[in-house]
Amino acid sequence: GAGVSQSPSNKVTEKGKDVELRCDPISGHTALYWYRQSLGQGLEFLIYFQGNSAPDKSGLPSDRFSAERTGGSVSTLTIQRTQQEDSAVYLCASSPRAPAGTGELFFGEGSRLTVL
Amino acid sequence: GENVEQHPSTLSVQEGDSAVIKCTYSDSASNYFPWYKQELGKGPQLIIDIRSNVGEKKDQRIAVTLNKTAKHFSLHITETQPEDSAVYFCAASLIGQNFVFGPGTRLSVLP
Repeated sequence: GAGVSQSPSNKVTEKGKDVELRCDPISGHTALYWYRQSLGQGLEFLIYFQGNSAPDKSGLPSDRFSAERTGGSVSTLTIQRTQQEDSAVYLCASSPRAPAGTGELFFGEGSRLTVL
Repeated sequence: GENVEQHPSTLSVQEGDSAVIKCTYSDSASNYFPWYKQELGKGPQLIIDIRSNVGEKKDQRIAVTLNKTAKHFSLHITETQPEDSAVYFCAASLIGQNFVFGPGTRLSVLP
């Protein structure tokens, strides 16, 4: 079956531009996570969605970052006025289980963002 | 909040030898400890996990051990093969809290 799909796989942008990254989770998975992986670093939590509950935004690094999840399925991570330090791989994961911190995470292949 | 440390950051072993990666966590309330494997250009994939009511779990060539008193858990890979070469991440979580990942270990299995 289809796994977690992320697009674009690669994005190069100029400093100051806005970018949108898309995640299409596995059908039926209620939980969706966004993580950031900087070069050679671990996975930094950004945001968590669970069903119709208010998202956990505690990991978003600044107000330039936002995310939404429409209809409990597709999610979009938006970075406004990008900075060079935003360059990283942005990983999306979905899980069939709730609450947070339980169950297996199914990751997409990530969106590699390069800010020039 | 939870903090997870992981050692070593890089590990090279000869094919057929064993590899051990160790993680320590700070929050004694954490009760779920998964291990993920990330191959080049791909997202991490769960390979084994352990819950706090179990001391050890095995799945073929991989095993995980947990020491709750010392707050550390380890991944053991026996009879390593070239396809085991990847980055391995440990994580800790508590129900209702998000996963906290370690910084990763790059394992290279030399033929």
